[in-house]
Amino acid sequence: AQSVAQPEDQVNVAEGNPLTVKCTYSVSGNPYLFWYVQYPNRGLQFLLKYITGDNLVKGSYGFEAEFNKSQTSFHLKKPSALVSDSALYFCAVRDGYKLSFGAGTTVTVRA
Amino acid sequence: NAGVTQTPKFQVLKTGQSMTLQCAQDMNHEYMSWYRQDPGMGLRLIHYSVGAGITDQGEVPNGYNVSRSTTEDFPLRLLSAAPSQTSVYFCASSYTQRRYSTDTQYFGPGTRLTVL
Repeated sequence: AQSVAQPEDQVNVAEGNPLTVKCTYSVSGNPYLFWYVQYPNRGLQFLLKYITGDNLVKGSYGFEAEFNKSQTSFHLKKPSALVSDSALYFCAVRDGYKLSFGAGTTVTVRA
Repeated sequence: NAGVTQTPKFQVLKTGQSMTLQCAQDMNHEYMSWYRQDPGMGLRLIHYSVGAGITDQGEVPNGYNVSRSTTEDFPLRLLSAAPSQTSVYFCASSYTQRRYSTDTQYFGPGTRLTVL
């Protein structure tokens, strides 16, 4: 089975600083990886996905993710965080007919 | 497009009661699914459907039933509610989820269910 792990429950950064949310994966075959964001009391919103090709994937709201095959990682990044980026972030991997999600990382951006 | 809609937004049940969570999408998506979200556990798949008339179990199907009579609707039924089913439930859809499909799944706003 495919799986992902998010090693940090919480990430705190100051507004304007770089933001990184970590994700590692374990798959057999080619990984299809996703990042979703959940704002308070809202559903999940798609940010970006890695299928194949460039290791740097650009997504919504200024986010990007770097796929690293040797480190089996797919970290989410934003060069300059905003207070409005405060949310719960999920990494996910395609696993047959479903997505397997990580436990989530709560991001708090302080003004 | 309204996207994926879910009703109700909130629900409180007593142990043993039954109810149906509604999910609808207007994007003509083949694939629909139900997840539950519990703190520290991410989202776990309950049931899914790859088209009208076709459903299958996910990771945590016990205590839930589904049916898919139309492309648009995918209701989730709790047969006899238990406190362990207190959770937030999300419906999701995508064009297809064939085995190695890379289609993006779109999520509804969720239903927060409390079972007393």
